[in-house]
Amino acid sequence: ETGVTQTPRHLVMGMTNKKSLKCEQHLGHNAMYWYKQSAKKPLELMFVYSLEERVENNSVPSRFSPECPNSSHLFLHLHTLQPEDSALYLCASSQRTSGSGTDTQYFGPGTRLTVL
Amino acid sequence: GQNIDQPTEMTATEGAIVQINCTYQTSGFNGLFWYQQHAGEAPTFLSYNVLDGLEEKGRFSSFLSRSKGYSYLLLKELQMKDSASYLCAALDSNYQLIWGAGTKLIIKP
Repeated sequence: ETGVTQTPRHLVMGMTNKKSLKCEQHLGHNAMYWYKQSAKKPLELMFVYSLEERVENNSVPSRFSPECPNSSHLFLHLHTLQPEDSALYLCASSQRTSGSGTDTQYFGPGTRLTVL
Repeated sequence: GQNIDQPTEMTATEGAIVQINCTYQTSGFNGLFWYQQHAGEAPTFLSYNVLDGLEEKGRFSSFLSRSKGYSYLLLKELQMKDSASYLCAALDSNYQLIWGAGTKLIIKP
């Protein structure tokens, strides 16, 4: 399954590092999402880019910064992270039709992030 | 608040049937999704229900009762490859997905 790809698959970084996660979707979708998945917790939506709008979860710290240069690519820029940010970061995409959100989201395999 | 409840872990035997329950409390409701996630892999879409009733898709079926805020995923003729986590997610009135923490299903020979 190569509809949504993410790189890198694994990342270890120190608290003072700056790194970026990359996501690419090959499905022709018009919406992309970043999620955080921690063990035994629900998926936490971080950011959505949809129909040229950005929606963010207000509880996400500013040390996470998204960038969506076009409808196929999504980045998550990371800086001065904390150990509690260690988690699986999932990217997803969907085809949104205006006024409806019942679109199915397709996920990438995720980046396993460890912050030391 | 909005909440999804599903069991943390279930165990079943190869060849048997298992039912994974999910209850939801959301501000409005626009449907319910089930996803499967194998360890270290992407969640993959299984089903979407918005009307009451049972929808069957091969060995997997999904049921919804809107009046009870309840859904279940039924897996028949279990195979070892069905060992995975199963995620339940409800769409609220703003079309935001509210996710459960997932049910880890362990299949034993």
